[in-house]
Amino acid sequence: SQKIEQNSEALNIQEGKTATLTCNYTNYSPAYLQWYRQDPGRGPVFLLLIRENEKEKRKERLKVTFDTTLKQSLFHITASQPADSATYLCALVVPGTYKYIFGTGTRLKVLA
Amino acid sequence: EPEVTQTPSHQVTQMGQEVILRCVPISNHLYFYWYRQILGQKVEFLVSFYNNEISEKSEIFDDQFSVERPDGSNFTLKIRSTKLEDSAMYFCASRTSGSSETQYFGPGTRLLVL
Repeated sequence: SQKIEQNSEALNIQEGKTATLTCNYTNYSPAYLQWYRQDPGRGPVFLLLIRENEKEKRKERLKVTFDTTLKQSLFHITASQPADSATYLCALVVPGTYKYIFGTGTRLKVLA
Repeated sequence: EPEVTQTPSHQVTQMGQEVILRCVPISNHLYFYWYRQILGQKVEFLVSFYNNEISEKSEIFDDQFSVERPDGSNFTLKIRSTKLEDSAMYFCASRTSGSSETQYFGPGTRLLVL
């Protein structure tokens, strides 16, 4: 069955640096992959979606890449700020279904 | 900006009791979802709902669970006989049509089964 792994349960970085989070999946490549932000006790908030035919997607300080050969997506936050501290989740939909699966998330802490 | 709402925000119940969690999806959305998140664990898919019927469900979604869209706005998750292990945060989500459309999540209901 399809699985998602997000390495680094926790990532601490200094303010102003670029944070890079990794999402790896097994088996078949999804048509697209999504990234969400989740704050403690809150629901996930959608950030970016990248399709299988896209190498890179940007939104303000966020950048996502998708490498179907490596079965991996990277999520970058440039010029990180303490307000970026949260858990970041990647998710994909199982092809041919309406079922989304989420990774365990990476908890990012940006130190001032 | 439209948002998904959920009630109650917290629910405490005794094991074996029935609970109903309520959600009001965004008004023009067509696909509805329930997820759960046990404390410290990942978000887990429970069920998707489209065109007034379940379109997909996970192995977690057994006979104790049911969903309903009783009117044009509410979407409910019922747990018939709660177990201790049902204690979790339950999130409702909705999206418009199209397989890649963004899911919008509600704030969640924290369920505690004693």
